Amino acid sequence: DVKVTQSSRYLVKRTGEKVFLECVQDMDHENMFWYRQDPGLGLRLIYFSYDVKMKEKGDIPEGYSVSREKKERFSLILESASTNQTSMYLCASSPPGTSGRKNIQYFGAGTRLSVL
Amino acid sequence: GQSLEQPSEVTAVEGAIVQINCTYQTSGFYGLSWYQQHDGGAPTFLSYNALDGLEETGRFSSFLSRSDSYGYLLLQELQMKDSASYFCAVRDTGGFKTIFGAGTRLFVKA
Repeated sequence: DVKVTQSSRYLVKRTGEKVFLECVQDMDHENMFWYRQDPGLGLRLIYFSYDVKMKEKGDIPEGYSVSREKKERFSLILESASTNQTSMYLCASSPPGTSGRKNIQYFGAGTRLSVL
Repeated sequence: GQSLEQPSEVTAVEGAIVQINCTYQTSGFYGLSWYQQHDGGAPTFLSYNALDGLEETGRFSSFLSRSDSYGYLLLQELQMKDSASYFCAVRDTGGFKTIFGAGTRLFVKA
């Protein structure tokens, strides 16, 4: 089974802090994603990476950065946390390609971040 | 813009059949996927349609009509454990991005 592990289930941080959210996958997937999930808005893509050291902005990258130094690990960084970044953050991975089951994204359990 | 529309809530009784619709407007299209998410849990993959027609996996089926930019998820013989949120998602032709709908909350009543 594919396993996507997020380092924390719950985090409480203060405004202005630098926050690191870590994600590790064990299936050698090339593609990794960071989403935030808010009620009524579904999952919104923050950043994705299709290879080591490669990254692309998603739909809402402002206030975030990412790092992918190793294939299995994809980190989301909040440079200076703000209260409007309080949310559920979901990491996902998928294999390369576009056919059939290669479209499946495997999600971690999520990190619920509160910024006070 | 790119968007996926699905109902916000659906309620059905145990043992019944329910259909969750999804219409999409995206710049590209590689396929329509469905994910299930229980409260406090991770989204998990249910089904994927790249071509028109019906795909069946046990009690769940998914349908796609590319000409209508429309699909649905059909859940049969509903069980209480099916109470969850269901998301439709479209893979963009860029190949990497997947766009998700806002989700449909399904309540199954006894």
